[in-house]
Amino acid sequence: NAGVTQTPKFQVLKTGQSMTLQCAQDMNHEYMSWYRQDPGMGLRLIHYSVGAGITDQGEVPNGYNVSRSTTEDFPLRLLSAAPSQTSVYFCASRRGRTSPLHFGNGTRLTVT
Amino acid sequence: QQQVKQSPQSLIVQKGGISIINCAYENTAFDYFPWYQQFPGKGPALLIAIRPDVSEKKEGRFTISFNKSAKQFSLHIMDSQPGDSATYFCAASMGDNDMRFGAGTRLTVKP
Repeated sequence: NAGVTQTPKFQVLKTGQSMTLQCAQDMNHEYMSWYRQDPGMGLRLIHYSVGAGITDQGEVPNGYNVSRSTTEDFPLRLLSAAPSQTSVYFCASRRGRTSPLHFGNGTRLTVT
Repeated sequence: QQQVKQSPQSLIVQKGGISIINCAYENTAFDYFPWYQQFPGKGPALLIAIRPDVSEKKEGRFTISFNKSAKQFSLHIMDSQPGDSATYFCAASMGDNDMRFGAGTRLTVKP
């Protein structure tokens, strides 16, 4: 049972480049979400999904796109990377809205 | 603006002491209040959670106190141990909207 798997673990991008952060869970959870973690800011919600085909914006959605074509996968796309997107990104999933969030181990992204 | 405000930013406690971390929220629609613990290089993991119809919940050395009228909740770690040294996040959620987190508290327990 792998839980929530994020790839890659580390990534360096140049300004303007695009990339996709991958997230997969094997717990058949309906809820999935993406957070970014910055020093002194805690975890801020980027986008979330309550099931396949349904996504919604969180607190800081600008510059990011998501889609949810299957229950298992929830990729996060950076359309045109900016230095302000340098952060640690966490994907999480949960069974229901008052169930615990299960986090992946994060992707550390640096944009130069 | 941050929907959940957490303090202090950092906390140093002697082994065996009590660690106390406080959180406050504005939105009375929040109905689930968990605390997460994060070690370096790892994602956060659920420590303990409470719903607003309960004023206190205890699990081992960890206790959540909840004050609905003041819109505040706190985490107490009794008999703090060096292994408790980590970053702690309070959080709150409502309906189908996903969880909102506080800024985090870095706890150091000195031996």
